[in-house]
Amino acid sequence: SQQGEEDPQALSIQEGENATMNCSYKTSINNLQWYRQNSGRGLVHLILIRSNEREKHSGRLRVTLDTSKKSSSLLITASRAADTASYFCSGGSEKLVFGKGTKLTVNP
Amino acid sequence: DAGITQSPRHKVTETGTPVTLRCHQTENHRYMYWYRQDPGHGLRLIHYSYGVKDTDKGEVSDGYSVSRSKTEDFLLTLESATSSQTSVYFCAINSDRGTYGYTFGSGTRLTVV
Repeated sequence: SQQGEEDPQALSIQEGENATMNCSYKTSINNLQWYRQNSGRGLVHLILIRSNEREKHSGRLRVTLDTSKKSSSLLITASRAADTASYFCSGGSEKLVFGKGTKLTVNP
Repeated sequence: DAGITQSPRHKVTETGTPVTLRCHQTENHRYMYWYRQDPGHGLRLIHYSYGVKDTDKGEVSDGYSVSRSKTEDFLLTLESATSSQTSVYFCAINSDRGTYGYTFGSGTRLTVV
């Protein structure tokens, strides 16, 4: 299975600032996926980056992937209070395995 | 969560009783998963299915069994519920071995007293 471990565990920023979260994994992957979880809800797929891609954008989200370091980062630009949530990553495979996530708090 | 529903949404049960949670999908996806989420542990995979009647264990399968008699339904059974199984349970679906993003249900909050 392709484990994902998120860092930091918690991040608190002001509205309008950028938020950066990191992900490390252990084995080779075909893709790396990021998810968001609002309190009390299920995970929502945000973005998928394939192993042959180095960077991908989707709206205010920017994901990078460094397969040599087995790491990825998620950047949320111009954060909003609505971005407050936990964020998880995982290497795409038959079985997604997640870490404990990064809890992002965006203060108004 | 379009295409995937979990039932019940909330349940309180007594220690030692059997409990079955249901995950229903309308996407005709091949892969279905059961996760549990607990504070300090993140999401942990319990069981998953890669087709009708085809299932496999995840990292925390002890005390749980699953069944998939048709594509759209994946059942998770706690044979004899224990307090350690108090958790939030999430179902997820995927069409092709993680090639695409997974879709998660809204969760079932189970309390074992």
